[in-house]
Amino acid sequence: DAGITQSPRHKVTETGTPVTLRCHQTENHRYMYWYRQDPGHGLRLIHYSYGVKDTDKGEVSDGYSVSRSKTEDFLLTLESATSSQTSVYFCAISERGGAGETQYFGPGTRLLVL
Amino acid sequence: QQQVKQSPQSLIVQKGGISIINCAYENTAFDYFPWYQQFPGKGPALLIAIRPDVSEKKEGRFTISFNKSAKQFSLHIMDSQPGDSATYFCAASIGAGNNRKLIWGLGTSLAVNP
Repeated sequence: DAGITQSPRHKVTETGTPVTLRCHQTENHRYMYWYRQDPGHGLRLIHYSYGVKDTDKGEVSDGYSVSRSKTEDFLLTLESATSSQTSVYFCAISERGGAGETQYFGPGTRLLVL
Repeated sequence: QQQVKQSPQSLIVQKGGISIINCAYENTAFDYFPWYQQFPGKGPALLIAIRPDVSEKKEGRFTISFNKSAKQFSLHIMDSQPGDSATYFCAASIGAGNNRKLIWGLGTSLAVNP
């Protein structure tokens, strides 16, 4: 998985609780992404980062926040988890933007919100 | 239109057969078209990619055919094997610099029967 780890790998939580997912890379890649994957919806971009403390929203950012204080770490926080946020969350990294970039994905975090 | 439409949703092929997955787009600003392969419990991984100035790209048993005028591209898997059973995503890149992103198809679940 190209030097990308995600933690936790599985989590069960209750509605209304905050949840933080961590993505850690050892590749020193500039770009990092958080996606969610749901049946029938494919991969949807939540937030992405193009450098330390530089982040932007994706297509499904409501209810999520991110932080990147170090190149290697990208955190995704569900501020108050809801059942609709039950999903598999993937972190991805890429070396650069521009034509020809490849995104490398982590192993995913399976989140269940009860 | 920032959509990539992928079909079929699922596909069953006999071992040794040809698997064909199709994608269509509307926005001519897309400039890079990758295919990703995802095995159960894993993150997607880049399989093969093509730029719009090329009509075909082949890597082993995997071929992308690109029809710029029709705004369509397809993945052909020759001599399909049970180990090819996975979900396949087409995608298209758009944007520049830090705003560059991938637009994903919804995926095709391929099962290759032995």
